[in-house]
Amino acid sequence: DVKVTQSSRYLVKRTGEKVFLECVQDMDHENMFWYRQDPGLGLRLIYFSYDVKMKEKGDIPEGYSVSREKKERFSLILESASTNQTSMYLCASMGVGYTFGSGTRLTVV
Amino acid sequence: SQKIEQNSEALNIQEGKTATLTCNYTNYSPAYLQWYRQDPGRGPVFLLLIRENEKEKRKERLKVTFDTTLKQSLFHITASQPADSATYLCASRGNAGNMLTFGGGTRLMVKP
Repeated sequence: DVKVTQSSRYLVKRTGEKVFLECVQDMDHENMFWYRQDPGLGLRLIYFSYDVKMKEKGDIPEGYSVSREKKERFSLILESASTNQTSMYLCASMGVGYTFGSGTRLTVV
Repeated sequence: SQKIEQNSEALNIQEGKTATLTCNYTNYSPAYLQWYRQDPGRGPVFLLLIRENEKEKRKERLKVTFDTTLKQSLFHITASQPADSATYLCASRGNAGNMLTFGGGTRLMVKP
């Protein structure tokens, strides 16, 4: 069964901390994505990557960066966490449809 | 700008009935539409993809239609069960790139 694994289900961080969210897929997919999901705002694309070391900004990249050093791993980095980055973060990789991870519920206090 | 929209109001139906959810898109012509199911606190799960040249697609109790004239896709669950209760999202790719844009989702509640 194909899988996208996000490293943490729940995370609590302090304002100003640097936060790393890790995502690993085992399907040899080229395209990977990071979304955040908030009530009333739906899924919003932060960054995506279509190949190793390649990245493209999505709709809301401010305050985030990404890293794709290996094909199977796509990391989202919050450079200096702020309370407005409290959200559910979802990683996905693309086959016929997207396969999503279980999500990371991040709370910034 | 390109938009994909779903009815944000929850849909409540009785077990055994057919649930019908709507997805409308404006200002673009997607080559395909996708439907996902999302349970609370979990990531969406891919259900079906329908291409613009396909009028209808079925998978078990699920049926999806794609009407390019109305710019609309309908998602049907026949013989609905309480276990079908979830939020259902439609999504499509815009005119460039491989990234999907998602509708806001419609929450379905099936009552026993």
